[in-house]
Amino acid sequence: QVQLVQSGAEVKKPGASVKVSCRASGNTFTNYFMHWVRQAPGQGPEWMGIINPSGSSTDYAEKFQGRLSVTADTSTTTVFMELSRLRSEDTAVYFCARGKGVVITAPFDSWGQGTLVIVSS
Amino acid sequence: DIQMTQSPSTLSASVGDRVTITCRASQSLYSWLAWYQQKPGKAPKLLIYKASDLESGVPSRFSGSGSGTEFTLTISSLQPDDFATYYCQQYSTNSWTFGQGTKVEIK
Repeated sequence: QVQLVQSGAEVKKPGASVKVSCRASGNTFTNYFMHWVRQAPGQGPEWMGIINPSGSSTDYAEKFQGRLSVTADTSTTTVFMELSRLRSEDTAVYFCARGKGVVITAPFDSWGQGTLVIVSS
Repeated sequence: DIQMTQSPSTLSASVGDRVTITCRASQSLYSWLAWYQQKPGKAPKLLIYKASDLESGVPSRFSGSGSGTEFTLTISSLQPDDFATYYCQQYSTNSWTFGQGTKVEIK
């Protein structure tokens, strides 16, 4: 099973950007799609976006279009999530997760530990 | 986007009880549905995928059924480690969506 290790908690002001990293262990990094999911306090998970690390193609949920950028660095087996123009409603725990198997439409079988992002003036 | 609706939102049960959680989708998923367990402060854990396939390492007291728009997660005999929140997730389209969750509490 892959291990996904995320960067630490962040506190940001409204209007700022945040960049969260997720490093994957193992040597099969480019074989699996990687996702970002967030969870606001007391809410269910919300899918944000996906990247194919082998070609860096991405797809984002409509509500994050224009504010979200997901990238990958194959040399360090790390994926990144950058969310811009932050507002208080973006306060949440952000998770990276790996798609199960090699097909794009798959559930998530490995998750990072989560990164708390607090947006507050 | 496909909307996922779980019921109940909270469930009170005792150790040894049989527990059933329902998830309904706003359009057909065929069998592209997963169930997760989440404990406070932790990431969700995949339990069931393709509606009824048990993820490796998950106890056999967990089972899933259904197809189309209606699905169920059953815990045959609730154990102390099972008190948690459970989420369904659809992955039939390239826009994954989750239910709002069912919290299983100690009665």
